[in-house]
Amino acid sequence: DAGVIQSPRHEVTEMGQEVTLRCKPISGHNSLFWYRQTMMRGLELLIYFNNNVPIDDSGMPEDRFSAKMPNASFSTLKIQPSEPRDSAVYFCASSLMSGPQVQPQHFGDGTRLSIL
Amino acid sequence: KQEVTQIPAALSVPEGENLVLNCSFTDSAIYNLQWFRQDPGKGLTSLLLIQSSQREQTSGRLNASLDKSSGRSTLYIAASQPGDSATYLCAAPSSGNTPLVFGKGTRLSVIA
Repeated sequence: DAGVIQSPRHEVTEMGQEVTLRCKPISGHNSLFWYRQTMMRGLELLIYFNNNVPIDDSGMPEDRFSAKMPNASFSTLKIQPSEPRDSAVYFCASSLMSGPQVQPQHFGDGTRLSIL
Repeated sequence: KQEVTQIPAALSVPEGENLVLNCSFTDSAIYNLQWFRQDPGKGLTSLLLIQSSQREQTSGRLNASLDKSSGRSTLYIAASQPGDSATYLCAAPSSGNTPLVFGKGTRLSVIA
């Protein structure tokens, strides 16, 4: 079975440029999560979707960040304009949620983003 | 607001030892708790998910327990092996089911 697929794996770009991170969740999963991981702050939730609808975006740092999920098999996280402090590893995860019982979240291998 | 704390931050043990990783959380009104493993440069791999109706879950040499009343969970690793070296993260929902709040992890080194 294909897991969560993220692209690109690595991104190096200059400050001020637009960055788009992509995620393909596991087929059949109805929840999708975007996380950011840094040494200082650990793993933080940015936003999550349920059935393609954004449920909680309180973790999105500021208006420079936006996320979309146009269909059940694709999501993007966009940063515009990018800043050096956005450098981190960005993870996408998906899971199946049905009522109070949840299934484990499955993570992609992440996108390592460096803003110069 | 849910806060998840993991102690110790790092642990080094000789091969073959049994060990316990600790996780505490502040909001006990959770439906589940998850333990993950992260290898360097990789994403997280789910190890065990404990539903609130359960007290523990086992998978091979791993056993995770959940005590909601005290706000604690432990991950027990039996007969540790060098391949167990990784960072182990505990995650609890901010409320009810989602979203997950992660601890900063325990970095485990098992020395051959």
